[in-house]
Amino acid sequence: DSGVTQTPKHLITATGQRVTLRCSPRSGDLSVYWYQQSLDQGLQFLIQYYNGEERAKGNILERFSAQQFPDLHSELNLSSLELGDSALYFCASSPTGRGEAFFGQGTRLTVV
Amino acid sequence: GIQVEQSPPDLILQEGANSTLRCNFSDSVNNLQWFHQNPWGQLINLFYIPSGTKQNGRLSATTVATERYSLLYISSSQTTDSGVYFCAVVMIKAAGNKLTFGGGTRVLVKP
Repeated sequence: DSGVTQTPKHLITATGQRVTLRCSPRSGDLSVYWYQQSLDQGLQFLIQYYNGEERAKGNILERFSAQQFPDLHSELNLSSLELGDSALYFCASSPTGRGEAFFGQGTRLTVV
Repeated sequence: GIQVEQSPPDLILQEGANSTLRCNFSDSVNNLQWFHQNPWGQLINLFYIPSGTKQNGRLSATTVATERYSLLYISSSQTTDSGVYFCAVVMIKAAGNKLTFGGGTRVLVKP
């Protein structure tokens, strides 16, 4: 157990819908990252937050947004979902904005 | 951006065999991690190894940062070692701590 908690583990939803994925980092970790793993794109970095502030951004679609709350948990919002958004979404955390990152178990999103 | 290449892409081993997985990267890095993704999809940290050599049981890793490569050694492989092994790096010049992943090495250990 990495100490990073993601909910839900599985999510099935229809095209056009909006979902929210939740991540609780390891105790004391200030930085949270979101990654997407799809069959054709591999593991891709989406966005990083550090102590509530956006630190780095990857190829995150405009339909996707994220935030980190004062208690350091983070949410990834995916809207106007398309079939191609089906993927495994990982959250990771690290104590600072650098150093070793630890991953949650992922949320498997299926868009039908 | 930085390129991360892993080889071989696929590896089939007989239980008890040894193997070496390689990760090449195209730019200077200040973070390198090896992960094992098990059949249930979970990403498990194996090593945080920006440079030098580390060992953990039957696994060991070496990173030669000046030559831009890292090696993961699996000795006396077991069926539970099956899965995909990923190398991921953070470029020194990158903003934040964005990990760039290689394409992975898929390992199947046969009993």
